Amino acid sequence: GENVEQHPSTLSVQEGDSAVIKCTYSDSASNYFPWYKQELGKRPQLIIDIRSNVGEKKDQRIAVTLNKTAKHFSLHITETQPEDSAVYFCAASIIGGFKTIFGAGTRLFVKA
Amino acid sequence: DADVTQTPRNRITKTGKRIMLECSQTKGHDRMYWYRQDPGLGLRLIYYSFDVKDINKGEISDGYSVSRQAQAKFSLSLESAIPNQTALYFCATSPRTDTQYFGPGTRLTVL
Repeated sequence: GENVEQHPSTLSVQEGDSAVIKCTYSDSASNYFPWYKQELGKRPQLIIDIRSNVGEKKDQRIAVTLNKTAKHFSLHITETQPEDSAVYFCAASIIGGFKTIFGAGTRLFVKA
Repeated sequence: DADVTQTPRNRITKTGKRIMLECSQTKGHDRMYWYRQDPGLGLRLIYYSFDVKDINKGEISDGYSVSRQAQAKFSLSLESAIPNQTALYFCATSPRTDTQYFGPGTRLTVL
């Protein structure tokens, strides 16, 4: 069945450094790739997404890149801050399709 | 996101009890979902519904059932709760663009 693998499961960085989280998906028909951030005790919320007709998208300190040939996509956070500490989930779906498949999550710690 | 609400927020129950978790939304979305979150396993889909007459099983539907009472309401039931159903449960809605809007979650403990 469809699967999304996410690495690493835990990531610790120093404040100001960059953080990269990588995901690989199995269903080549997937064309929508969102990233969700879940702060401690809170609900997951969308932070950025990318569609398959775009290779890269940026929003201030966060960016996502997509390689459709290799079926992987990555989240890049630059100039990390303590408030970036959270669990990040990648996901893949087919727009208008049946369901979204989530990765297992990455717990990011940003040390001040 | 106050547009998606869940009740109760926390529940402790005993093995064998029937439990219902409720979800309501004011976003006007047709699509609603129930997910289960366990540490290290991400968000796993239990059931999803694309309209009142459409109910579909997700990857881990065994032991669960759902009811879509109206466009805005989607309930999850555990007919006979067991300890390995202890988890954090999220309801979500989405438009056809597939972005998921999550409720605040229900923490369920089965003793």
